[in-house]
Amino acid sequence: DVKVTQSSRYLVKRTGEKVFLECVQDMDHENMFWYRQDPGLGLRLIYFSYDVKMKEKGDIPEGYSVSREKKERFSLILESASTNQTSMYLCASSLGTALGNTIYFGEGSWLTVV
Amino acid sequence: AQSVSQHNHHVILSEAASLELGCNYSYGGTVNLFWYVQYPGQHLQLLLKYFSGDPLVKGIKGFEAEFIKSKFSFNLRKPSVQWSDTAEYFCAVNARGWNNAGNMLTFGGGTRLMVKP
Repeated sequence: DVKVTQSSRYLVKRTGEKVFLECVQDMDHENMFWYRQDPGLGLRLIYFSYDVKMKEKGDIPEGYSVSREKKERFSLILESASTNQTSMYLCASSLGTALGNTIYFGEGSWLTVV
Repeated sequence: AQSVSQHNHHVILSEAASLELGCNYSYGGTVNLFWYVQYPGQHLQLLLKYFSGDPLVKGIKGFEAEFIKSKFSFNLRKPSVQWSDTAEYFCAVNARGWNNAGNMLTFGGGTRLMVKP
């Protein structure tokens, strides 16, 4: 079974803090993604990466950055957290670049910014 | 840009009732279509997917979905729901030619289904 692991399930951070969300996958997938999930809005793509050190902006990259130094790890960084970044963050991975490959999700990280 | 609409945000059914969740997308080209489910406290799981061929797709746990190209729809159905189907359901689209790197999905807003025992 593919396993996508997000290291923190629940975090509470103060406005202005720097926040790191870590994600690791164990299936040698090329593609990794960060989404945020908000009620009524579904999942929205923040950033994705199709190779080590490669990253592309998704639909809502403002206020976020990412790092992919190793193939199995994809980090989401909030340089200065704000209350509107309170959300559920989902990491995902998929194999290869062929369209239609299944995307596997982690369990999510609930971030509250106070 | 493509978009995905799920018109029902909340659905409440009794056990054994039939289920149909609507999903419409806006993209004129070839698409791959997915339904994901998120049970309470769990991660998103793939229910079923459509790439090509028979527009009626069968997935896990008795779910099926029908791709109707002329209506840009991919509705999810189950003849008889169970209490354990209580979850949030997401429709997603991946369009050919829209991106050349990776498999980005555009998701609908989700539908929360509650099944009363």
